[in-house]
Amino acid sequence: AQSVTQPDIHITVSEGASLELRCNYSYGATPYLFWYVQSPGQGLQLLLKYFSGDTLVQGIKGFEAEFKRSQSSFNLRKPSVHWSDAAEYFCAVGGPTMGGSYIPTFGRGTSLIVHP
Amino acid sequence: SQTIHQWPATLVQPVGSPLSLECTVEGTSNPNLYWYRQAAGRGLQLLFYSVGIGQISSEVPQNLSASRPQDRQFILSSKKLLLSDSGFYLCAWLNSGNTIYFGEGSWLTVV
Repeated sequence: AQSVTQPDIHITVSEGASLELRCNYSYGATPYLFWYVQSPGQGLQLLLKYFSGDTLVQGIKGFEAEFKRSQSSFNLRKPSVHWSDAAEYFCAVGGPTMGGSYIPTFGRGTSLIVHP
Repeated sequence: SQTIHQWPATLVQPVGSPLSLECTVEGTSNPNLYWYRQAAGRGLQLLFYSVGIGQISSEVPQNLSASRPQDRQFILSSKKLLLSDSGFYLCAWLNSGNTIYFGEGSWLTVV
């Protein structure tokens, strides 16, 4: 069975500081990996995704993530955080399944707090 | 381009009243559709998904039901709401690139 662990419930950083949000996954084959961001009262917005190829993927809003198969990780990074980045961040893993169903698994989320 | 809409955005319902949340997708055909619930301070819980018209899979036994009367329409319903049904409900769809996209969400408060 597939699973996702986001070990940090809350992360607090100062504006302008670098950021890394951790994500570890469990999946039997090469996974499809995603990061989403959710502002309060909003739906989830896709930041970036990894399916194959270059293990460092670039996303929107200056975010990037690196797929490390040996560590089963897909950590999200940003070199300089802006106050507007304060939000909930979700990591997800998915992949093709038999029978036509496709059900990605989401982590419980990491809440990012940005101090001025 | 494809878009997803869900409504209403916010509703307050008394215990025991019915519920209907609607979701529609535009610009695609035969998408996989999903209903998730997000309780306060918690992650996403998959409630239902559908791979086609009239095909509904339930992930969690509960007070809710889902229907897909048309290819791009997905409805979440309840005959009698419970206090525990309060939460943020998200509709989502799967594109041909194996990526899920979410609607704006619906806040439900059961009082």
